[in-house]
Amino acid sequence: SQKIEQNSEALNIQEGKTATLTCNYTNYSPAYLQWYRQDPGRGPVFLLLIRENEKEKRKERLKVTFDTTLKQSLFHITASQPADSATYLCALTSGGYQKVTFGTGTKLQVIP
Amino acid sequence: GAVVSQHPSWVICKSGTSVKIECRSLDFQATTMFWYRQFPKQSLMLMATSNEGSKATYEQGVEKDKFLINHASLTLSTLTVTSAHPEDSSFYICSAGDRVDTGELFFGEGSRLTVL
Repeated sequence: SQKIEQNSEALNIQEGKTATLTCNYTNYSPAYLQWYRQDPGRGPVFLLLIRENEKEKRKERLKVTFDTTLKQSLFHITASQPADSATYLCALTSGGYQKVTFGTGTKLQVIP
Repeated sequence: GAVVSQHPSWVICKSGTSVKIECRSLDFQATTMFWYRQFPKQSLMLMATSNEGSKATYEQGVEKDKFLINHASLTLSTLTVTSAHPEDSSFYICSAGDRVDTGELFFGEGSRLTVL
């Protein structure tokens, strides 16, 4: 069965450092990989999407890589700030509103 | 980005009663909406796919008679939890998208249901 693992349940880093979150998947050939941010008691907010034929995507302080050979995505937040503290979810989809499957999430805490 | 609104944001009800949660796409039309359920410290589990003008598609293990979904218009889908019990207490979140190619989703604010 399809499985998405986000290796760290929780990650603590110092303000100003780069946070790196990992998403690994098995038994899946996604067309798109997405990253969402979720704050406590709120719905997820879309951050970035990367296609299977893209290696890297950037948006402001965010960078996502996608390695379909390793079946892995890395999500980087550079110059991290306390306001970046949240749970980050990766999600896979075949596109076209096919089922979007979410990982378990990594709770990031940026320490001032 | 597109805006999805969900109401109510929290509700407390007695066991045996039914609760309706609304999900609206405010600035786009959504032929497809998704309902998720999330338990504390767990990820989102897809419950069903709501299709405008037709029956919802439920995920394996989700009771369709328990969780009634109606998608009567292109901007509104409702989830009714019938004869709610304490084990139905959870965070319910709807989502929709306006990008058919990539399937990126915009989520509602979520509805916290507590069944006493």
